[in-house]
Amino acid sequence: DIQMTQYPSSLSASVGGRIILTCRASQSVSSYLNWYQQKPGKAPKLLIHAASSLESGVPSRFSGSGSGTDFTLTISSLQPEDIATYYCQQTRSPPFTFGPGTKVDI
Amino acid sequence: EVQLVESGGGLVQPGGSLRLSCAASGFTFSNYWVSWVRQAPGKGPEWVANIKQDGSEKYYVDSVRGRFTISRDNAKNSLYLQMNSLRVEDTAVYYCATSSNWKFDYWGHGTLVTVSS
Repeated sequence: DIQMTQYPSSLSASVGGRIILTCRASQSVSSYLNWYQQKPGKAPKLLIHAASSLESGVPSRFSGSGSGTDFTLTISSLQPEDIATYYCQQTRSPPFTFGPGTKVDI
Repeated sequence: EVQLVESGGGLVQPGGSLRLSCAASGFTFSNYWVSWVRQAPGKGPEWVANIKQDGSEKYYVDSVRGRFTISRDNAKNSLYLQMNSLRVEDTAVYYCATSSNWKFDYWGHGTLVTVSS
């Protein structure tokens, strides 16, 4: 199985600040990497698929990059509504594993 | 509007069974792979199983293989998860999600399964 790690596990930043979340796969997943945002009591919401493709309706302050084993999610100007936990997920091969998440607050 | 609505969760004793359902609307259900994803309290999501558009292919995470069965009824726009031999560690919120094109883009609100004596 492909293992996913994320770091940091949590971070605190200022409104308007730029933050970078990192995700690493235990073996290459090519670009089969998705990012989700989850708020308490809600289902995960897809932000980015295929490592860098922004989902329709997701603000452009979110961006993704990377391929192979190392990926990043960048929020260019953090907003109060971005407080959430962010998960990466590989869909290169089943089981489609998720990372442990990065909790973001302000 | 795309909607996925899970049902069937509840409290069950270890070793018991439960059948979850997911009713889909607002899109052509038969065109999509669909998955079950669970999330234990305070933990990250865990993919459980998925099924191809026509039901001909199914995949499971190792921890549920042989105990859980995923199925679908395209005529009823519904997805199911039959869960047998339930364990305490199966306690989680269970979500259904569309999972075509290597992305999980639509999710239900989830249904809570609690396995406890």
